[in-house]
Amino acid sequence: DGGITQSPKYLFRKEGQNVTLSCEQNLNHDAMYWYRQDPGQGLRLIYYSQIVNDFQKGDIAEGYSVSREKKESFPLTVTSAQKNPTAFYLCASSISGRGGNNSPLHFGNGTRLTVT
Amino acid sequence: DQQVKQNSPSLSVQEGRISILNCDYTNSMFDYFLWYKKYPAEGPTFLISISSIKDKNEDGRFTVFLNKSAKHLSLHIVPSQPGDSAVYFCAASGVFGNEKLTFGTGTRLTIIP
Repeated sequence: DGGITQSPKYLFRKEGQNVTLSCEQNLNHDAMYWYRQDPGQGLRLIYYSQIVNDFQKGDIAEGYSVSREKKESFPLTVTSAQKNPTAFYLCASSISGRGGNNSPLHFGNGTRLTVT
Repeated sequence: DQQVKQNSPSLSVQEGRISILNCDYTNSMFDYFLWYKKYPAEGPTFLISISSIKDKNEDGRFTVFLNKSAKHLSLHIVPSQPGDSAVYFCAASGVFGNEKLTFGTGTRLTIIP
């Protein structure tokens, strides 16, 4: 079955450590996204990539970094510079990020990161 | 500044009745709107969408209405079923695609058997 796989489901880290969240898709989608969900705040866009080797900052990119070396993979690194890293992180993909009115986002099941 | 607002954090509806979830937006450049459904510890799943050239879109038990002049959209679920209990997110995007979807804060719908 095609889909988006995020791993691990739960992740615990000590403050000051960088951590990388994995996101893999086998949907052959061009565009991939990272969102963060906090209670009462909906989903906020961290980074997105419309094509391999290219990505753009979203609304809350500070303290995060990404890479897009392969079409199917879009890992997110939460760095020690991110002031409030504890959150539920969601990866998504869509067929196209350009004029994609008929290509809604497909989400993975998320990674809950807890930093203490 | 919250450009997409869902002012009701929660809603309870009797099974078999109609559920109406509301969403308001402030950005007049939004022209494509979507509803997502989310169960706990899972990612959101796409439910239904509507383009600004329409004022209504139906898919089975789900209908989305768009009132552009009021910058308001609503999702109607009829009849409501226990499996509809979830958090529903409204989302909107601008003219050139959905690469920067803006989400609302969600409404938790509980269907009472």
